[in-house]
Amino acid sequence: SQQGEEDPQALSIQEGENATMNCSYKTSINNLQWYRQNSGRGLVHLILIRSNEREKHSGRLRVTLDTSKKSSSLLITASRAADTASYFCATDPWGTGGFKTIFGAGTRLFVKA
Amino acid sequence: EAQVTQNPRYLITVTGKKLTVTCSQNMNHEYMSWYRQDPGLGLRQIYYSMNVEVTDKGDVPEGYKVSRKEKRNFPLILESPSPNQTSLYFCASSLQAPPQETQYFGPGTRLLVL
Repeated sequence: SQQGEEDPQALSIQEGENATMNCSYKTSINNLQWYRQNSGRGLVHLILIRSNEREKHSGRLRVTLDTSKKSSSLLITASRAADTASYFCATDPWGTGGFKTIFGAGTRLFVKA
Repeated sequence: EAQVTQNPRYLITVTGKKLTVTCSQNMNHEYMSWYRQDPGLGLRQIYYSMNVEVTDKGDVPEGYKVSRKEKRNFPLILESPSPNQTSLYFCASSLQAPPQETQYFGPGTRLLVL
């Protein structure tokens, strides 16, 4: 079963605009991570946010986590054409000992130059 | 260079012909995992291994086997491949079990089962 679900499925913006992607999950988690995937390639880790954290920044990335709503958002500011990729959230549901990782279906971001 | 390697990168086979996809990491990571990626479904975990000789099922283990005889290698075995196993497969590793740790992904193996 899919734990994480990203929203929207696809997003097209102009270079310089901000891009916001959301992830919702079903069960309680320990942590949530965001990954990026360029077309057909391996995933690259972007950021990890722990369940006791509400917001985290890394360069142009800002991640928020709302455990009461079981949701997270990834904001990419001042987007660039090179940000074009698919973005996935990944969670580790409680009760799995932290060994399982469940990915959402991803958001496809297209940044037009 | 720290990396996760997979072989082969592309594979076309026929139903029922056993195949193995190799995965190797050079970072002395304890945790390794296999995922398959299908359109609209994201990545789904097939099997994972917490350490040598310790493996467990992920969400979609049916039709797959794994082994972890050495720390660096984690091969994925399809004993009798079927067309529904046509997919893009990724191996990943992390220092210890996620999610405390970043997972490092291999480049992927595209498998087509005819």
